[in-house]
Amino acid sequence: AQSVSQHNHHVILSEAASLELGCNYSYGGTVNLFWYVQYPGQHLQLLLKYFSGDPLVKGIKGFEAEFIKSKFSFNLRKPSVQWSDTAEYFCAVNVNNQGGKLIFGQGTELSVKP
Amino acid sequence: NAGVTQTPKFQVLKTGQSMTLQCAQDMNHNSMYWYRQDPGMGLRLIYYSASEGTTDKGEVPNGYNVSRLNKREFSLRLESAAPSQTSVYFCASSEQLGSYNEQFFGPGTRLTVL
Repeated sequence: AQSVSQHNHHVILSEAASLELGCNYSYGGTVNLFWYVQYPGQHLQLLLKYFSGDPLVKGIKGFEAEFIKSKFSFNLRKPSVQWSDTAEYFCAVNVNNQGGKLIFGQGTELSVKP
Repeated sequence: NAGVTQTPKFQVLKTGQSMTLQCAQDMNHNSMYWYRQDPGMGLRLIYYSASEGTTDKGEVPNGYNVSRLNKREFSLRLESAAPSQTSVYFCASSEQLGSYNEQFFGPGTRLTVL
């Protein structure tokens, strides 16, 4: 079965530190990839998505992600985090031949210390 | 636009009680989804509705039923609640059931079953 793995369950950083959150998926076919963010007490919001083309995609709030097909990875990065980035981050994969169903990773909780 | 709304925000049930979680969207989307979110497990799809009049099982449908009342509304029913159904429930919608369609999420319902 397809799966999505986020290896970091809880990441603690100081403000201005760089961030990289890992995401790996197990499906070998054509996939669409997403990163969602859930701020404390709020609903999930889309950070960025990859469908095709340039494997480096930029999202909101200075986030970016790189799709590396050979590694089945879609890691999320930000050069300099802020306290307001404290949230839970979810990677999700949508397999093209299985309709619109999203498969989510376990989530990574990011805590940024001021 | 309110986007995706859910009621109630919080609910406490006793084992064996029943309840219905309500979801509505005002974006004229065709497809709607119900997920549950549990610590360390990400979001898992319970049921989805590709379009008005259709519903299908997701990854974890046991113990739940759904109704796509009309294009706007998609409800989730627990007929006999169990402690294992303690979770946060999210409703989502997308324009179509397809790989390229972003899903928009509601604020969630936090359910506790005692």
